[in-house]
Amino acid sequence: NAGVIQTPRHKVTGKGQEATLWCEPISGHSAVFWYRQTIVQGLEFLTYFRNQAPIDDSGMPKERFSAQMPNQSHSTLKIQSTQPQDSAVYLCASSSYWGEQYFGPGTRLTVL
Amino acid sequence: GDSVTQTEGQVTVSESKSLIINCTYSTTSIAYPNLFWYVRYPGEGLQLLLKVITAGQKGSSRGFEATYNKETTSFHLQKASVQESDSAVYYCALGVNQGGSAKLIFGEGTKLTVSS
Repeated sequence: NAGVIQTPRHKVTGKGQEATLWCEPISGHSAVFWYRQTIVQGLEFLTYFRNQAPIDDSGMPKERFSAQMPNQSHSTLKIQSTQPQDSAVYLCASSSYWGEQYFGPGTRLTVL
Repeated sequence: GDSVTQTEGQVTVSESKSLIINCTYSTTSIAYPNLFWYVRYPGEGLQLLLKVITAGQKGSSRGFEATYNKETTSFHLQKASVQESDSAVYYCALGVNQGGSAKLIFGEGTKLTVSS
């Protein structure tokens, strides 16, 4: 079991560019969560899917951020027109229906 | 809303001494949230340390304990005798169940340094 896989591990973008972050959940897990960690805001919930359906996106910024889960083997978080304040570590986690969340290593996004 | 507070950002404890990391929570969306402690060891990812889903119960793992106290809305993490290998960042979290595994609301984290 490789655990939750996140790619890339590091991404540097210029202001105004698009960034797409990938997450591959643990096989058999039905829920995928996205979180963001910054020094100022700490660990924040963004959104999650269960059985590929969006359940709660209450933590997602209203503009420029979107998440999808086109199949059970991966989810993407897309940030359009990246801004310096989007710089953070983005964490993906997966779980079985009632199980604990297993976190990936994170993607460190730096917006110059 | 829902929130978790950890009052200590950093704690330094001598090896073999006892430890308490404070955690209090507040919730308006759920009467009985699940409570968790997560840990991030240096160079590693975030991992579950322990969880308690029933008020009044105690969870334990790796010598750490935490009791879910609904009256004081607290979930303090304790260990009787810390070791250098316990040096890590500890996060208290509240789970807001929505018919299955819940989104987590995290505290700010407490960095524990154990000195020899």
